Order: sequence, then structure tokens, then C-alpha cells
Amino acid sequence: GAGVSQSPRYKVAKRGQDVALRCDPISGHVSLFWYQQALGQGPEFLTYFQNEAQLDKSGLPSDRFFAERPEGSVSTLKIQRTQQEDSAVYLCASSFRDQPQHFGDGTRLSIL
Amino acid sequence: AQSVTQLDSQVPVFEEAPVELRCNYSSSVSVYLFWYVQYPNQGLQLLLKYLSGSTLVKGINGFEAEFNKSQTSFHLRKPSVHISDTAEYFCAVGGRGSQGNLIFGKGTKLSVKP
Repeated sequence: GAGVSQSPRYKVAKRGQDVALRCDPISGHVSLFWYQQALGQGPEFLTYFQNEAQLDKSGLPSDRFFAERPEGSVSTLKIQRTQQEDSAVYLCASSFRDQPQHFGDGTRLSIL
Repeated sequence: AQSVTQLDSQVPVFEEAPVELRCNYSSSVSVYLFWYVQYPNQGLQLLLKYLSGSTLVKGINGFEAEFNKSQTSFHLRKPSVHISDTAEYFCAVGGRGSQGNLIFGKGTKLSVKP
């Protein structure tokens, strides 16, 4: 597609449920990033893929967060046993080599 | 470690007035610098970037920014704002190389009033 596509746009889950957020990067972009944006804050880095390899996961806040990109294109961010503090907008970005990152519109996650 | 400080959380300004959004960064290595804009319920859109070369960088929508290494600043300016510029603006720093995850400031909310 023309841009980075994220789904769903909005997700409401009860505390303790598992959620999965999808990111479709721009075709041909080898680098893929996930960020978490809390209300009123700037985005914070979660994890980075180059093709299918997860090269940096230093930003994942706990072992409840897991990301994968098995075929080097679509990526899924999974959060297990969700907690209220997981409520945020999750942004995905992709880039080609050293070019600037292109962001999707994000998934707004609300944990009740 | 790298960090970004956006000195103003909110900037109100009247239409057609000039505006400056301030950004200071901290880094022990050479960096790339970016300004992104975020409209409500949307992702981030790149306004401009500094990678190397000329310290005055021109971006989209009439915005420009000046890289000042001695003051570790990268302030964003526009000589005459429009109502449509109302949005949140984020300054970001990224390390050089392909593993360029970005460090963002907390954002500045620009409100343009008629």
C-alpha cells in the first residue's frame, strides 16, 4: 500500500485479556519499529526489526509484550494479560535503509 | 544516552503571526534530528530532517529549522502560521546508522487562533 497500515484503529479490552495489534509496513521497507505513546507524551521506542530479525527489543516494558515479523513484512505486537497501564496509542513505523521513518495512524488501546 | 527537551508544552499564537517551537537535544555522538507533526487521531508526519550539511533545513508546509551544534538546539520556525497548523509537534533525535530508533520530546501543542 501507499502508507503504513495499522489495525485495528481502536481496541478495548478488559484487564487480563490478551491483545494483538497488526502493522503492515510500506512495501520494500526492511526496517520496522514499534512505539508506545501514552496520553500527552511523545512516542517511546519499543522494538525494532530488520526484515524478520528482531534486532532491538530493549524498549519492551515487560515480558508480557512480544513482537514478531515472521516473513519480514507484516508485524504483530502482542500484549498478554493486559493491565491498565498498557492503555496507550501504539504506533508502527517503517523505513528503507537510512531514510526517515514513515508512521501509521496507530492503534488506540484502552484497558478497562 | 540521548534525550530531547521541548521547552514549551503549549504555544498559542494568532493566525499569520510568526512562531518558534524550541527543541534542545543531548547526545554524545553525531545525530540525525527531526521534526514531526501529529494531527488528532493520526500518526506522525515528517516535517523536516537534519542529517548533515547546511544547518538551515526547509521542510513542508513552510516550516524550517536551524541546527545549532554549539547550543545543541534544533528550533522549528514558520514566518506566518495558518489555522490548519494547529497540531502537536514533536522533535526527535536518532542515532546514525540503520538502527535509528528515535528518541522523542514530549511535544508542543501549537494552537493557532483566528
